[in-house]
Amino acid sequence: RKEVEQDPGPFNVPEGATVAFNCTYSNSASQSFFWYRQDCRKEPKLLMSVYSSGNEDGRFTAQLNRASQYISLLIRDSKLSDSATYLCVVILTGNQFYFGTGTSLTVIP
Amino acid sequence: ETGVTQTPRHLVMGMTNKKSLKCEQHLGHNAMYWYKQSAKKPLELMFVYNFKEQTENNSVPSRFSPECPNSSHLFLHLHTLQPEDSALYLCASSQVSGDEKLFFGSGTQLSVL
Repeated sequence: RKEVEQDPGPFNVPEGATVAFNCTYSNSASQSFFWYRQDCRKEPKLLMSVYSSGNEDGRFTAQLNRASQYISLLIRDSKLSDSATYLCVVILTGNQFYFGTGTSLTVIP
Repeated sequence: ETGVTQTPRHLVMGMTNKKSLKCEQHLGHNAMYWYKQSAKKPLELMFVYNFKEQTENNSVPSRFSPECPNSSHLFLHLHTLQPEDSALYLCASSQVSGDEKLFFGSGTQLSVL
């Protein structure tokens, strides 16, 4: 069983739409959670950390549900520039990073 | 200046060549990593160094040889690679037992002919 599972998509949404991605993790001892964004042929970049209380950064909202072992990312008012692959990342302990396969998003004019 | 710099950005090599990828982190982190990303595939962890000591070798073929002379520098020496080794190679660093976020270099796009 994979440590982190993500729906690979692709998600094709019109500009201005709201889109949500989910990610599940298998190890209940996981400690830290992040969303990264990766553009084509570029390196992944940290988008935001994810906390149990939920956190928001502009149009982006991340949520963690420890009981169900999933994290989510909500993007409101999608922009063309949001088109990318979104990676769910879970840290078990120390430097044990586990990446999801990524969810591809294309925002259409 | 970015936190993690990687060179070269692009590399084309033959199967008999020897080349090295270089990574330097300017973030004061104590852990460095090599990842491989093939087209349309997820990131694969190759090597992890904590405080210059290798703590993980994820069943990587011996034609890939890492070197970590200090906590700021990391190399990946390449020797007699195969065409299936063509991929994006990403270096990353993090602070273990601190702010654990992972920061990536811009990657080396490697093509093996």
